[in-house]
Amino acid sequence: DIQLTQSPSTLSASVGDRVTITCRASHTVFNWLAWYQQKPGKAPKLLIYKASTLQSGVPSRFSGGGSGTEFTLTITNLQPDDFATYYCQQYNSYSYTFGQGTKLDIK
Amino acid sequence: EVQLVESGGGLVKPGQSLRLSCATSGFTFGDYPMTWVRQAPGKGLEWLGFIRTKDFRATTMYAASVKGRFTISRDDSKGIVYLQMNGLKSEDTAIYYCSREKYQVGDYWGQGTLVTVSS
Repeated sequence: DIQLTQSPSTLSASVGDRVTITCRASHTVFNWLAWYQQKPGKAPKLLIYKASTLQSGVPSRFSGGGSGTEFTLTITNLQPDDFATYYCQQYNSYSYTFGQGTKLDIK
Repeated sequence: EVQLVESGGGLVKPGQSLRLSCATSGFTFGDYPMTWVRQAPGKGLEWLGFIRTKDFRATTMYAASVKGRFTISRDDSKGIVYLQMNGLKSEDTAIYYCSREKYQVGDYWGQGTLVTVSS
C-alpha cells in the first residue's frame, strides 16, 4: 500500500493567516490525490481532488498543488470556520489510503 | 438534495457479525460507485473498500485489513449500499461512513454509524 505522511501533525494559526499542509506519498500517485476537511463529530468534506481541482462550493481560499509524491494544501486568509482536521487521500492504487491528518487549531 | 444515511451500528461481541446499511436519496444511485470508510475513536480515516456500478458488474475492492471478513453489496432498486462485517474484532470499533464516489473521490458522505466490538 502507498503510505501518505502529512506534515505538520498539528498547526497553530490565527484568523487571516496563510497556512500550508504537506502530504508526501511513499510512491508516486501522479495527481490522484484529494484533500478533505473534518470537524469534530462530523463526516469528512471533500475540498480538492485531482491534486488541484476545487470541489464545487469550496471557497477559493483553499488551493492544492503538487504531483508525483509531494502535495500541498494551502489556505489563505484563514477564517474561523477553517479550524479543523485535514486529510489527504491517494486514489492512484488500491488500497486507497489516507494521511494521518493535520489538526489546524487557533493560536 | 443528496442524502446518505447509515444505520445498523451497535454493540456486538468479538466474533459476531453485523450488517450496516447506507440509504441514499437525491441522486441516481445506480450511476455511482459507493465507498465505505471508518474512523476509530480519536484516530484518522481508514478506507475500507468500494463497489462499482452495475455497468462494471458491481465489482468490489477491499483494504487488506478487512478483505475476507467484510463484504460490500448494493441494491440499486432501493438505493442502498451494504457493509456485511463478519468475525468482528475489538479493533473494528469505529464510526463507519459511506460515501458516494465521483471522480473516484467521496463527494457526499453520510453522518456515520458507530460500531462497538466488546465483550
